[in-house]
Amino acid sequence: SQQGEEDPQALSIQEGENATMNCSYKTSINNLQWYRQNSGRGLVHLILIRSNEREKHSGRLRVTLDTSKKSSSLLITASRAADTASYFCATDHQGAQKLVFGQGTRLTINP
Amino acid sequence: GAGVSQSPRYKVAKRGQDVALRCDPISGHVSLFWYQQALGQGPEFLTYFQNEAQLDKSGLPSDRFFAERPEGSVSTLKIQRTQQEDSAVYLCASSLVRTPSYEQYFGPGTRLTVT
Repeated sequence: SQQGEEDPQALSIQEGENATMNCSYKTSINNLQWYRQNSGRGLVHLILIRSNEREKHSGRLRVTLDTSKKSSSLLITASRAADTASYFCATDHQGAQKLVFGQGTRLTINP
Repeated sequence: GAGVSQSPRYKVAKRGQDVALRCDPISGHVSLFWYQQALGQGPEFLTYFQNEAQLDKSGLPSDRFFAERPEGSVSTLKIQRTQQEDSAVYLCASSLVRTPSYEQYFGPGTRLTVT
């Protein structure tokens, strides 16, 4: 069973707007990663944030991590049509040798 | 450079047939992971190899599922006596390092449909 929960499950916005999606998890983590999946394709790594970090930026992406609330958020600024995809958070937990993925947020950017 | 490749991309099997799914990781990558992704869901971990050693197979749903990586590079996921609930996309990922705490590179997946 999947440990992460993401919300919203689906998000539709206009091109140029910002998109925010959230991820929650249940047990202590080493790191949290965000991946993007275009329809019918494999996953592409976006960004990794370590458990001792609170915020990280990469281009138009901003990730925050609140370990006290066991939650993370991914912000995509100035969205583009090409950002249309599903976004997944993935956590690796202390003592485990695997990534646990959330159920994902389906993001649609309308031109 | 070449990424992770998987074959076949699509497989249709009749219930009860055996299937074999292949993964070619990025050359030199130590870690290899298999995931199962049902429609509309996130990937779920199946098994993990470090070189040729299978260090975690806790996610394999039944003893009909078997994975190997005999020479520490190419890996095969075999499903015996397929059932309809095995229908899913099977994703392979590789990583340069020995822990899951780093970026994983995913292949395009094999979509398995059991009829």
